[in-house]
Amino acid sequence: QSALTQPASVSGSPGQSITISCTGTSSDVGGYNYVSWYQQHPGKAPKLMIYDVSNRPSGVSNRFSGSKSGNTASLTISGLQAEDEADYYCSSYTSSSISYVVFGGGTKLTVL
Amino acid sequence: EVQLVQSGAEVKKPGESLKISCKGSGYSFTSYWIGWVRQMPGKGLEWMGIIYPGDSDTRYSPSFQGQVTISADKSISTAYLQWSSLKASDTAMYYCASSGGGWLQFSYWGQGTLVTVSS
Repeated sequence: QSALTQPASVSGSPGQSITISCTGTSSDVGGYNYVSWYQQHPGKAPKLMIYDVSNRPSGVSNRFSGSKSGNTASLTISGLQAEDEADYYCSSYTSSSISYVVFGGGTKLTVL
Repeated sequence: EVQLVQSGAEVKKPGESLKISCKGSGYSFTSYWIGWVRQMPGKGLEWMGIIYPGDSDTRYSPSFQGQVTISADKSISTAYLQWSSLKASDTAMYYCASSGGGWLQFSYWGQGTLVTVSS
């Protein structure tokens, strides 16, 4: 039932690239290709940015990309822009005795 | 266009019951899973559970199993989240969200319902 582990904060300058990690276990991130990433601006509902590890929904900028290695998934944002400043959450399918979805604790991205 | 419209903010006392709603439109309500996500003040997202309105198949996070009930009325394209006895710790923003297909990610989100529980 533990949340996936994300860094509390990351920062970068406009134009740079940043990566946010999301660490789980073999029962969630490492065991399935069902990692998603969400962006949430203050006071707004979350927005799906990546699903199934590396797929972008229609309309999401190709500056956002996802990957996975072992029990750690990553979200990379290239060409940072001011509007990318937001909270980012990963989620993963998890299955032990029952199946459900678990979120990471969230990462605050600051664009310097 | 897929839309999820949630019921308005609620202020309740500890021990009271509550049922909040989420009305879907712009798609076949019985074909997409609808889930609920909690966000406590200043905190992160928590996946609570999900229901498939077509057959009422429901899945809960272990953290919320037995604490809330998720249901749906497909005749009016509405999903519900209910509590039988609220606690102060239930104070949070609650989002409904739909997958647009499978149940492992949420493509569409409601605007959120703020629930405040205070004596």
